[in-house]
Amino acid sequence: TQLLEQSPQFLSIQEGENLTVYCNSSSVFSSLQWYRQEPGEGPVLLVTVVTGGEVKKLKRLTFQFGDARKDSSLHITAAQPGDTGLYLCAVRGSNTGKLIFGQGTTLQVKP
Amino acid sequence: DTEVTQTPKHLVMGMTNKKSLKCEQHMGHRAMYWYKQKAKKPPELMFVYSYEKLSINESVPSRFSPECPNSSLLNLHLHALQPEDSALYLCASSPQTAPSSYNSPLHFGNGTRLTVT
Repeated sequence: TQLLEQSPQFLSIQEGENLTVYCNSSSVFSSLQWYRQEPGEGPVLLVTVVTGGEVKKLKRLTFQFGDARKDSSLHITAAQPGDTGLYLCAVRGSNTGKLIFGQGTTLQVKP
Repeated sequence: DTEVTQTPKHLVMGMTNKKSLKCEQHMGHRAMYWYKQKAKKPPELMFVYSYEKLSINESVPSRFSPECPNSSLLNLHLHALQPEDSALYLCASSPQTAPSSYNSPLHFGNGTRLTVT
């Protein structure tokens, strides 16, 4: 079983549309990270959320950490072709510090 | 530009070849990682080095052999690979692996695209 269930796994939308990606778990986390990986590159950190109920904004991206710190969402407003990529949520294992990724959401934004 | 540099960017090797992947960072990070990534899938952890000592081996086959010569360098030695080992190999670093640094992100390189023929 996956520690982090990410949905949807694939999303193809037109430029200007809005979308939401979800990252869910039955476990409680002290923090959660979102990464974006563009084609031909490594993942790059977008945000770390720490507090239950926290909302962080990064230009057209809005990140929310659930009140119980078990889930998170990423909302993109007015998507652009430059948003195309693989979006990954991730948490650190409690004892080992391993970074554990969700399955990822492959987003394609068509012009 | 990423602060973690990986070489080569692309590598094609036969199943009897021996090759090495290299990774370098100068951020003073004391934890370094190797990940393997297949297309449209998340990275899968292979190895973790903490303070130049191997701390995690995710049951990786012995045809992959990691090495950490010093705190800035990480190598992955490859020998007798199989075609299914073809993937993007990502190196990453972080300040350390201790719980006090759990909010610190991993800094990834852009990877080596490996093809085994």
